[in-house]
Amino acid sequence: EVQLVESGGGLVQPGGSLRLSCAASGFPFNTYSMSWVRQAPGEGLEWISYISSSSRTINYADSVKGRFTISRDNAKNSLYLEINSLRAGDTAVYYCARCSGSTSCYWFDPWGQGTLVTVSS
Amino acid sequence: DIQMTQSPSSLSASVGDRITITCRASQSISSYLSWYQKKPGKAPKLLIHSVSTLQSGVPSTFSGSGSGTDFTLTISSLQPEDFATYYCQQTYISWTFGQGTKVEVK
Repeated sequence: EVQLVESGGGLVQPGGSLRLSCAASGFPFNTYSMSWVRQAPGEGLEWISYISSSSRTINYADSVKGRFTISRDNAKNSLYLEINSLRAGDTAVYYCARCSGSTSCYWFDPWGQGTLVTVSS
Repeated sequence: DIQMTQSPSSLSASVGDRITITCRASQSISSYLSWYQKKPGKAPKLLIHSVSTLQSGVPSTFSGSGSGTDFTLTISSLQPEDFATYYCQQTYISWTFGQGTKVEVK
């Protein structure tokens, strides 16, 4: 069974940092590109970052560029999102999602169950 | 950036109803359009990709159509489990979601 499981969320003060993880199983992780998507409370889905299967191509949404860093460890079947300089507006459920191909990302399937990041003092 | 605009933002319907949700892109996105279902506390679920290709396991009551900038998601006979929020997504340039359409019980 294809499965994605996020972890690492929690309560953090403004200006703080967190490292989110996404453990993948049930498919050849090193052949798929991956993305992170978030959903703030009461809001819609927002794509925030993409990484190709080899980590050669990385993209960020303007809203997180310079503060968030995506990475992966294919040997550990894991995807990561380092989030720094956190603001209240970063409060959201963060989802990892598998892309449709190794270098293409025409749709996201499946998604993990999400991990909640709350930024508050 | 490509903007995606869904309409309506919400709708009320009854079990058995046929409903249609519209998604408009700010520029042509060819066929790079997907639809997702989102329920509270659950992971988003891919319903349709490439405008009209039904994802495996998705009921045939769901269908998608359109091209260029205008797309639709149709549920031909609404089932109790279909009450949810639906999002369109373009993947032509970067990745952008519509703002969502909440389908509620009438």
